[in-house]
Amino acid sequence: AQSVTQLDSQVPVFEEAPVELRCNYSSSVSVYLFWYVQYPNQGLQLLLKYLSGSTLVESINGFEAEFNKSQTSFHLRKPSVHISDTAEYFCAVTETGANNLFFGTGTRLTVIP
Amino acid sequence: DTGVSQNPRHKITKRGQNVTFRCDPISEHNRLYWYRQTLGQGPEFLTYFQNEAQLEKSRLLSDRFSAERPKGSFSTLEIQRTEQGDSAMYLCASSLRPDSSYNEQFFGPGTRLTVL
Repeated sequence: AQSVTQLDSQVPVFEEAPVELRCNYSSSVSVYLFWYVQYPNQGLQLLLKYLSGSTLVESINGFEAEFNKSQTSFHLRKPSVHISDTAEYFCAVTETGANNLFFGTGTRLTVIP
Repeated sequence: DTGVSQNPRHKITKRGQNVTFRCDPISEHNRLYWYRQTLGQGPEFLTYFQNEAQLEKSRLLSDRFSAERPKGSFSTLEIQRTEQGDSAMYLCASSLRPDSSYNEQFFGPGTRLTVL
């Protein structure tokens, strides 16, 4: 069975500081991994995804995540956060060939001016 | 149409009443998904459609819940005899059926249900 663990429910960080949001998954088969962002009163938006190939994936707004198969992790990082990055971030996994996403419980990132 | 739309955005109802939500997917997306998100949790899969066929249902989808997609376009999710535990955000997503690999699911803004 698949599962996703996001150990940090809340992460406060000062503006322009680096941040890492942790995500670990469990699955017995090949997986695809995702990070979604949810701004207040909005739906989920895909931030980045790992399907295959390079284990380091990047988003257009400076976030990156690295797939680590041995540690079953897909941590999200940004070297310098902005106020506008304040949001809820969800890690998700799906097994190859499956049709639904399994989400973690989310991490609320709060960027402090 | 630039995205998935859901109506209503908010619904407040009394316990025991029936409610119905609507989801309009992105045009030409033939897959449609329903998820439920309770406070402090991530979204949980409920069911999905390929065109008008409901192909998978989660065990979370009790017999008080029914979803339809009669013409393979919009979908409705009905909850009968609502309970306080049904209070949640109901999210809809759509995607193209992939030829291979995976196709991104695009999410709507959700319908927030409050059962009093």
